[in-house]
Amino acid sequence: QSALTQPASVSGSPGQSITISCTGTSSDVGAYNYVSWYQQHPGKAPKLMIYDVINRPSGVPDRFSGSKSGSAASLTISGLQAEDEANYYCSSYTTTTLIFGGGTKLTVL
Amino acid sequence: QLQLQESGPGLVKPSETLSLTCTVSGASISSGGFHWGWIRQPPGKGLEWLGTIYYSGSTYHNPTLKSRVTISVDTSKNQFSLKLSSVTAADTAVYYCARTTVVGTTSNWFDPWGQGTLVTVSS
Repeated sequence: QSALTQPASVSGSPGQSITISCTGTSSDVGAYNYVSWYQQHPGKAPKLMIYDVINRPSGVPDRFSGSKSGSAASLTISGLQAEDEANYYCSSYTTTTLIFGGGTKLTVL
Repeated sequence: QLQLQESGPGLVKPSETLSLTCTVSGASISSGGFHWGWIRQPPGKGLEWLGTIYYSGSTYHNPTLKSRVTISVDTSKNQFSLKLSSVTAADTAVYYCARTTVVGTTSNWFDPWGQGTLVTVSS
């Protein structure tokens, strides 16, 4: 199973909205509604932000939202804040394994 | 609240076996409903799922590593463990433990995560 494809970097100014894409295939992202997103600050453990495509765990701000269309999933962050600057990883279930994207570095300008 | 903490040697020699333990506090592994998993992250790189266990002892593994990975659980100590055999420099990574859900025979999402522990493979 190949890794999911994410842009290496995205950027935005405080208050703006950004979207990070996560492209898979008809065997992973396109086949199941089991896409998750993680936020990771440098030197810290990943934190779950979105699970099962659209669901937010308790405590995650509603500025974070997830969606999916075909074999591509997206994480949108609205009202960007300085604390959102981090690396973001997507993951997708497959019948044989769990695969991750290569990660996207979000810079808040 | 639920917390997980990894422990084990930070340096392992090539060809030897890496052994780590995850201690769970704030919840009982035996309460069921969730599984417990291991994920690793080589320095500067992405994440890789290694394997997952249920309190009953049922295990699920990443097929690419299955032959080298052993995961076990000790409910009396509220701990689960990872062993990775025949390690090479490519196994140098931060190893995380986390609570997870399972779909079929594969982990889905992980929450929360332990802080992680760096294991370096070097002679």
